[in-house]
Amino acid sequence: GAGVSQSPSNKVTEKGKDVELRCDPISGHTALYWYRQRLGQGLEFLIYFQGNSAPDKSGLPSDRFSAERTGESVSTLTIQRTQQEDSAVYLCASSLAGGRVGGTEAFFGQGTRLTVV
Amino acid sequence: DQQVKQNSPSLSVQEGRISILNCDYTNSMFDYFLWYKKYPAEGPTFLISISSIKDKNEDGRFTVFLNKSAKHLSLHIVPSQPGDSAVYFCAASNPNSGYALNFGKGTSLLVTP
Repeated sequence: GAGVSQSPSNKVTEKGKDVELRCDPISGHTALYWYRQRLGQGLEFLIYFQGNSAPDKSGLPSDRFSAERTGESVSTLTIQRTQQEDSAVYLCASSLAGGRVGGTEAFFGQGTRLTVV
Repeated sequence: DQQVKQNSPSLSVQEGRISILNCDYTNSMFDYFLWYKKYPAEGPTFLISISSIKDKNEDGRFTVFLNKSAKHLSLHIVPSQPGDSAVYFCAASNPNSGYALNFGKGTSLLVTP
């Protein structure tokens, strides 16, 4: 597709269940980022992929959060044993390179709104 | 800790007037700054950027100013239009973190007719 695609767009889950969020970046973009935005907060960095490896996982809030990327394309963010504080919009972004090649403009998907009840 | 700060959660401006959105940062390693615009239920979209070696970048009605000594940047929109009503996020690129973007909390701009 032409843009970054995320699925599902909405997810309601029960506390304690695991969820998987998917991101399809723009074709050819080697850098992929996950952010989340909790209600009333800014965009919080979670993890960054360069190709299939994740040089920076510093933003993952706990070991319940993990992410992988395959084929230098699709990425999955997994949250195990979800808690109510995990409720947020999870945004994925991709860019041509992780370095400053013509700027670091990142293109965002529409996000997945996760609600943990 | 919040390294990029937007201290005004909201701003209301009359159509035709200037909108000024402010942003402060704490990390002197940031080398590139961007503004993103976000409409409800959509992902943020890139608006304008500035490198740390410059102090001004202009694109049509949008101008970004950077004051490195004060660790402050601002976005000016002139003239403001109702369609500019959105949440504006300031972001800074950290070369020590794969150039991942650090975002502020956003400023909600309302342009009234």
